Amino acid sequence: NAGVTQTPKFRILKIGQSMTLQCTQDMNHNYMYWYRQDPGMGLKLIYYSVGAGITDKGEVPNGYNVSRSTTEDFPLRLELAAPSQTSVYFCASKEVGEQFFGPGTRLTVL
Amino acid sequence: DAKTTQPNSMESNEEEPVHLPCNHSTISGTDYIHWYRQLPSQGPEYVIHGLTSNVNNRMASLAIAEDRKSSTLILHRATLRDAAVYYCILNSGNTPLVFGKGTRLSVIA
Repeated sequence: NAGVTQTPKFRILKIGQSMTLQCTQDMNHNYMYWYRQDPGMGLKLIYYSVGAGITDKGEVPNGYNVSRSTTEDFPLRLELAAPSQTSVYFCASKEVGEQFFGPGTRLTVL
Repeated sequence: DAKTTQPNSMESNEEEPVHLPCNHSTISGTDYIHWYRQLPSQGPEYVIHGLTSNVNNRMASLAIAEDRKSSTLILHRATLRDAAVYYCILNSGNTPLVFGKGTRLSVIA
């Protein structure tokens, strides 16, 4: 199993550009999550999903959108990127108990 | 989710045991105590979790106070690879994990 994979690893965006962060898991988990982590801080929940077709907002959803059309994929969309969205983004999945995290996407908005 | 309190940082010598404390005085009866750690430039990884009884696995041990208002993560022999930020998290059911700032553990050779 590859676990949770994220692409890209790094990205630099200009203010106002858009992009999609990809997240895929091969463990057939129903629950998937997107977090962001600013320097020196803990992770903050952006959006989560409890199964295909079902998504809900977390603590910091503004400026982001998600979709969950399949069990495996949970992409995070940034529209009109802003410098405040410079962060490391982690995707995670779980079924029962242990939550598995991807390696992260480091995003810089200039 | 109920809040946890952890020291900002701790230091340990290599090959010595490390006891990482966590206070959670407002824990509810259904809250599990989870520990995750985050190595530099990586995503968090699961360490251990428990409800009431002490738990052991290949990575660590979790000692839970009888009143459940505190817990301690025990690394039996710290290695340089154990230098990380350790998060103590309370969670019940399948609600999302809520991360605080954790404890930054430094290991000295």
